[in-house]
Amino acid sequence: AQTVTQSQPEMSVQEAETVTLSCTYDTSESDYYLFWYKQPPSRQMILVIRQEAYKQQNATENRFSVNFQKAAKSFSLKISDSQLGDAAMYFCAYRSAISLGAQKLVFGQGTRLTINP
Amino acid sequence: NAGVTQTPKFRVLKTGQSMTLLCAQDMNHEYMYWYRQDPGMGLRLIHYSVGEGTTAKGEVPDGYNVSRLKKQNFLLGLESAAPSQTSVYFCASSRFRGSGEQYFGPGTRLTVT
Repeated sequence: AQTVTQSQPEMSVQEAETVTLSCTYDTSESDYYLFWYKQPPSRQMILVIRQEAYKQQNATENRFSVNFQKAAKSFSLKISDSQLGDAAMYFCAYRSAISLGAQKLVFGQGTRLTINP
Repeated sequence: NAGVTQTPKFRVLKTGQSMTLLCAQDMNHEYMYWYRQDPGMGLRLIHYSVGEGTTAKGEVPDGYNVSRLKKQNFLLGLESAAPSQTSVYFCASSRFRGSGEQYFGPGTRLTVT
């Protein structure tokens, strides 16, 4: 079974600076998707960014980018120019691309990000 | 377009009571899911459905039942609530094709005393 590990329970960063959240995963599959979800205090889960494992190019979405290292099974999230609205719990998630049935997500434990003004 | 909605948003139950959580989506998604979120454990899959009339067990199914009589609705039932079921419950849905991006509801906070 696949597992996802976020080794940083909490992180903090000064407003306008850059922060990187770590995520590692364990799988024997070669084709899969990786996601970062953001959960602000409102509890709503919001997709931040996705990465297809077959793509070598790292995904970017405005101030958010990932460093995808397939061989190392690492998928970190970089937030540039941090803003107060980025304060949230961030979850890394894995989804197999070849499993039969539903597209189940496996989540990491989460990293709580605090932005200091 | 409301996306994924959940009813109720909060509920307090006594041990042994039963209740049903309702999830509705208006995106015509084939797949629907129920997760629970506990501190320090991320989200864990309870049950899921790949289509109307079909359901399957996830990672932590014990103590829960589900039904999907209509494509747009996915119900989660607790027949005899236990304090261990105190949690935040999320419903999600996704399309059959594509990356499998899941769209989440706002969550239901359930406390069992």
